[in-house]
Amino acid sequence: QKEVEQDPGPLSVPEGAIVSLNCTYSNSAFQYFMWYRQYSRKGPELLMYTYSSGNKEDGRFTAQVDKSSKYISLFIRDSQPSDSATYLCAMSGHGGSQGNLIFGKGTKLSVKP
Amino acid sequence: DGGITQSPKYLFRKEGQNVTLSCEQNLNHDAMYWYRQDPGQGLRLIYYSQIVNDFQKGDIAEGYSVSREKKESFPLTVTSAQKNPTAFYLCASSIRAGEGYTFGSGTRLTVV
Repeated sequence: QKEVEQDPGPLSVPEGAIVSLNCTYSNSAFQYFMWYRQYSRKGPELLMYTYSSGNKEDGRFTAQVDKSSKYISLFIRDSQPSDSATYLCAMSGHGGSQGNLIFGKGTKLSVKP
Repeated sequence: DGGITQSPKYLFRKEGQNVTLSCEQNLNHDAMYWYRQDPGQGLRLIYYSQIVNDFQKGDIAEGYSVSREKKESFPLTVTSAQKNPTAFYLCASSIRAGEGYTFGSGTRLTVV
């Protein structure tokens, strides 16, 4: 079993839809969870950063972590064509001196006008 | 503005040649990383460095080499031993290992 699993999509939704992106993981030591957005031919940019379980909201974006199920989600409300990108989840065991980030393979999202 | 700069944006290499990709950051980050990204493969770690004058192999280090002589700089050399070097290369940095990464804009390398 891979450490981090992410459905590659592609996922196509109409403008204004609520988008749900998900990752599952196997390593119970992961405590730090991130979502990156990557536009075509660009480097990934950090969208959301959460520690342990719970929700975090930033504008139209909400990140959820369920450590008991080893499942993380990113919700995008009122999706816009400018949200069309690949979304990568990432996680690590220790925000500090140990452990590099482990990335999912990314989900490609297309928001149609 | 603080950030991480990769150059060049596009690079063409003849077979048998070594090429060096530049990565510079002015974020005062201790840790730096090199990833390779291929369609459908996600990000694969080539090398990483947590401190100056020290670096570690990642998952796919064969055919690559790095140096970390300065905190700001982490160049990657793609050697002729790398059999399939055509890919999108991303450099990243973080305050410490395991913290959120800041990525550069990438270098697209093509073997001609």
